Amino acid sequence: DTGVSQNPRHKITKRGQNVTFRCDPISEHNRLYWYRQTLGQGPEFLTYFQNEAQLEKSRLLSDRFSAERPKGSFSTLEIQRTEQGDSAMYLCASSPLSLSGNTIYFGEGSWLTVV
Amino acid sequence: AQSVAQPEDQVNVAEGNPLTVKCTYSVSGNPYLFWYVQYPNRGLQFLLKYITGDNLVKGSYGFEAEFNKSQTSFHLKKPSALVSDSALYFCAVRDTGGSYIPTFGRGTSLIVHP
Repeated sequence: DTGVSQNPRHKITKRGQNVTFRCDPISEHNRLYWYRQTLGQGPEFLTYFQNEAQLEKSRLLSDRFSAERPKGSFSTLEIQRTEQGDSAMYLCASSPLSLSGNTIYFGEGSWLTVV
Repeated sequence: AQSVAQPEDQVNVAEGNPLTVKCTYSVSGNPYLFWYVQYPNRGLQFLLKYITGDNLVKGSYGFEAEFNKSQTSFHLKKPSALVSDSALYFCAVRDTGGSYIPTFGRGTSLIVHP
């Protein structure tokens, strides 16, 4: 079990550019989550996949944000036309498919700074 | 709807003293409750969870938490704090009858003084 892996760990981009983050979940975890965390705040939910299906999206996920999970394995989160307000840490998490209170396990996060 | 509150932005405690980090929750049905810890520039690490059964849950690094249904609380505790426990602590809740998405609190910064 290698844990949830996120790349890149840090990204500095100019306003208006597009960025993409990748998440590799724990092997055999069917559920995958994206959260965003800003300084002084807890993680805020962005979107959730069960296998390859994107089942829920937050209002926070504007039209400039898109997430995919092809083949139900890794996931990508793309932000188009970045704005300074997008600066945050983007956290990916995964969990197994179970009926009980399954724990979600986080990656180390991807820091985005928009200048 | 589900929500969680961490009423203290910061908790200060001396090394060797007991610590408590507070959390209250709100769900429509029954809760699944979680505690995570975050060190600087890192992701969140799972500490412990309450699903059902014994109200006192034991987790990693000597931490424990007590589920209190009447007070809708799930406070994190440790009998003897270490300087290395200094970090951000997050409480999370998921409604057993709702979606599979936990909601997190704003976090509490724990500072353990030598």
